[in-house]
Amino acid sequence: DSGVTQTPKHLITATGQRVTLRCSPRSGDLSVYWYQQSLDQGLQFLIQYYNGEERAKGNILERFSAQQFPDLHSELNLSSLELGDSALYFCASSTSIDTQYFGPGTRLTVL
Amino acid sequence: GQQLNQSPQSMFIQEGEDVSMNCTSSSIFNTWLWYKQDPGEGPVLLIALYKAGELTSNGRLTAQFGITRKDSFLNISASIPSDVGIYFCAGHISGNTPLVFGKGTRLSVIA
Repeated sequence: DSGVTQTPKHLITATGQRVTLRCSPRSGDLSVYWYQQSLDQGLQFLIQYYNGEERAKGNILERFSAQQFPDLHSELNLSSLELGDSALYFCASSTSIDTQYFGPGTRLTVL
Repeated sequence: GQQLNQSPQSMFIQEGEDVSMNCTSSSIFNTWLWYKQDPGEGPVLLIALYKAGELTSNGRLTAQFGITRKDSFLNISASIPSDVGIYFCAGHISGNTPLVFGKGTRLSVIA
């Protein structure tokens, strides 16, 4: 158990809908990272927050947004969902940028 | 964006055999990390490397940070069935850049 929690574990929705994925980092970790993993692909970095502020942005679509709250949990919002958004979404947290600890992921299926 | 070339893509080995996989890049990396992902789970950090030439072990796993800082390898000795999974390399180009992941090596162990 990495100490990072993600909810929900599975999410099934329809095209055009909007969903919110939630992540709670390990106790004491100020940084939260979001990644997308499509079938048989590596992890694609989406966005990083540090203590409530956006720190770095990767290949995140404009339809996607994220935020980190004062209690350090983070939410990833995906809107106008398309079939191609079906993937595993992982959250990771860290105290140092070098070592990130991953949550169990949310499997999103868009029908 | 930056890419890590991880090889081989997949391996089928007999239980008890040693395994070697590697990761290369055209860019110099400051940090190399190796993760293992079990089906339906988040990646778990196995080994972190911080200096060129560094050789680090974690049980039956050994990883090295290449002297050119453009590559890293992971060895698994005396493989067992629970070694099955996908192994990802990842790295930082600099302290403030996001982690870049390879596409993974899928390991299958035949008992």
